[in-house]
Parts: sequence; C-alpha cells; structure tokens
Amino acid sequence: DVKVTQSSRYLVKRTGEKVFLECVQDMDHENMFWYRQDPGLGLRLIYFSYDVKMKEKGDIPEGYSVSREKKERFSLILESASTNQTSMYLCASSLPGQGTDNEQFFGPGTRLTVL
Amino acid sequence: RKEVEQDPGPFNVPEGATVAFNCTYSNSASQSFFWYRQDCRKEPKLLMSVYSSGNEDGRFTAQLNRASQYISLLIRDSKLSDSATYLCVVTGGGYQKVTFGTGTKLQVIP
Repeated sequence: DVKVTQSSRYLVKRTGEKVFLECVQDMDHENMFWYRQDPGLGLRLIYFSYDVKMKEKGDIPEGYSVSREKKERFSLILESASTNQTSMYLCASSLPGQGTDNEQFFGPGTRLTVL
Repeated sequence: RKEVEQDPGPFNVPEGATVAFNCTYSNSASQSFFWYRQDCRKEPKLLMSVYSSGNEDGRFTAQLNRASQYISLLIRDSKLSDSATYLCVVTGGGYQKVTFGTGTKLQVIP
C-alpha cells in the first residue's frame, strides 16, 4: 500500500521560530511537492522537487525553503515562522511524466499554528 | 484570471440526483487533467483522470473540452457518501507544473 507520511499532524510554534516539516514516501517516486491549503484559496504549491537535491519554486515560495537530500524525504523549512504561515501543509509525491503517472499521493497533512 | 477556476458551491442535492461540476483553465498548453476528492479533514485522493475522449467510472463521468478549456465531472445517482469537496487539477504548461482549483463542495442530502 502506497504511503506518504508527515512528521506531525498538529504543530504549534511561536513567531520567529525555525520550523521543520518532514515528509517521507515509500513509493520510490521522483517528484515530491509541498502545498499549503487555506479556506477559500485551495491548495497552493510552495515548492516541488523532481529529483534528489533538485528543487523548483512553486507559486508561493516566499518565507519557505526546502531540502531533498534523499529520494524518499522532502523537508519544508520555515526560516522564521510568522502568523500568516498558519495553515494546513500537505506533502505529496508522484512519478514523473504525463497522464496517470502524474497521480499525486498525499500525506495526511500537518496543521501548523504560529502564535 | 485564476489559472484554474471552480464554482465553490456548496451544491446541496438530494440522494439519487445527478449533479455536474465544471472547471475552467486558462493555460492552453495544459496537458493532463484530473479530479480529486477531498473528504472533510482528510487529504485529497485521486478520483479519476480526464481524457480527451472522455471517461467513465461507474456513476462518474469526466469530460475534457480543449477548445473551450474546461473539464467537467458528472455524478449520477448521488449517494450520501459522495459528499466531499471535488478538486480540479491541471498539469503541464511548464516543467511538472501542477495547479489545483479551489474545489467544489458537494453535500448529498437524505
């Protein structure tokens, strides 16, 4: 059974803290993604990675960075957390290519609250 | 204009009804299209891919109209368990670019 796991379901941090969100997939997928989901705005892509040590900015990368040192692990880093980064963070992975290869498998999400 | 647009709903329909959702996209270079389903407080999961020729999976039918740049999802004989948010997803138009719509909420009423 395919699986994407995220390190925490709920996280509470203070403004200015450095925050690490971890994502691990066991499907040997090349592509990995980080999204945030907010009411009325849907899922917005923060960063994605199509290979180890490779990364591409998504639509809203400001205030975030990522790390992909191993194929199965993709980390999202909030260098200095701010209250407007309070959100649900979803990690996903997929095979490369087009058509059904682009199906994304999502983790359960991390609800981050920044106080 | 948003890259992918959906009517947020909610669509409140009785059990057994037929309901249709549309999703429009702005990038004519888009290549792949999908419908995902997201239950309350859960992660999105793939419902079905959308092919140019249209495709059907049981009570669900998806269609793509490239000329008008929209995709549709038709649900026949709605069940209570169909209540969820349906997300339109468009890929392509850039390296592995993926764009989600904001979702359409469906509530099937007994």
